[in-house]
Amino acid sequence: GAVVSQHPSWVICKSGTSVKIECRSLDFQATTMFWYRQFPKQSLMLMATSNEGSKATYEQGVEKDKFLINHASLTLSTLTVTSAHPEDSSFYICSARDTTGAAEETQYFGPGTRLLVL
Amino acid sequence: LAKTTQPISMDSYEGQEVNITCSHNNIATNDYITWYQQFPSQGPRFIIQGYKTKVTNEVASLFIPADRKSSTLSLPRVSLSDTAVYYCLVGPSGGYNKLIFGAGTRLAVHP
Repeated sequence: GAVVSQHPSWVICKSGTSVKIECRSLDFQATTMFWYRQFPKQSLMLMATSNEGSKATYEQGVEKDKFLINHASLTLSTLTVTSAHPEDSSFYICSARDTTGAAEETQYFGPGTRLLVL
Repeated sequence: LAKTTQPISMDSYEGQEVNITCSHNNIATNDYITWYQQFPSQGPRFIIQGYKTKVTNEVASLFIPADRKSSTLSLPRVSLSDTAVYYCLVGPSGGYNKLIFGAGTRLAVHP
């Protein structure tokens, strides 16, 4: 299947700083990407839908000014956690939608980014 | 999006067949059923997708009864490496839309 990468794979930062996480589709173009957050022993929670060239669509309860999403190209979406606090510590996962393939699996997940805010 | 219900956890032993059932009573006519596998600290991995009857690939089978209100993921002869969380998702075809994950089933395979 298609490959989605995330960078960094893990990051530790101080409280109050901002952290940027990149999500890239390596061998396909993705007009739509999705960002999820996952706390330990819990399921994935969809945070937002990232659309290339337009504003992201946030799920209810997700602060758009806290979690800035930019999808400037067909292969890259970024999630910036602004003024991070310890409660933002989590596992962040992106997925990308392959709009060109006919395969049943048209949404591919990245490996995730572990964020720890001290 | 249709809500799904799965057992929270299951235990099995190496070499056994494991069947995980998912209930989705409110499935819509254009909804497909998709199963994902997730290992700790990794992103979910697609396993199988189906619409009705039976679908089989190299790793699993998916059984869907005629009323489509439930589905069963069948893993033949599990090994220790199949220990993971398995998610059943229901929605329009092929991941084109946002995926809403339920709690999933935590499968533990023992020696």
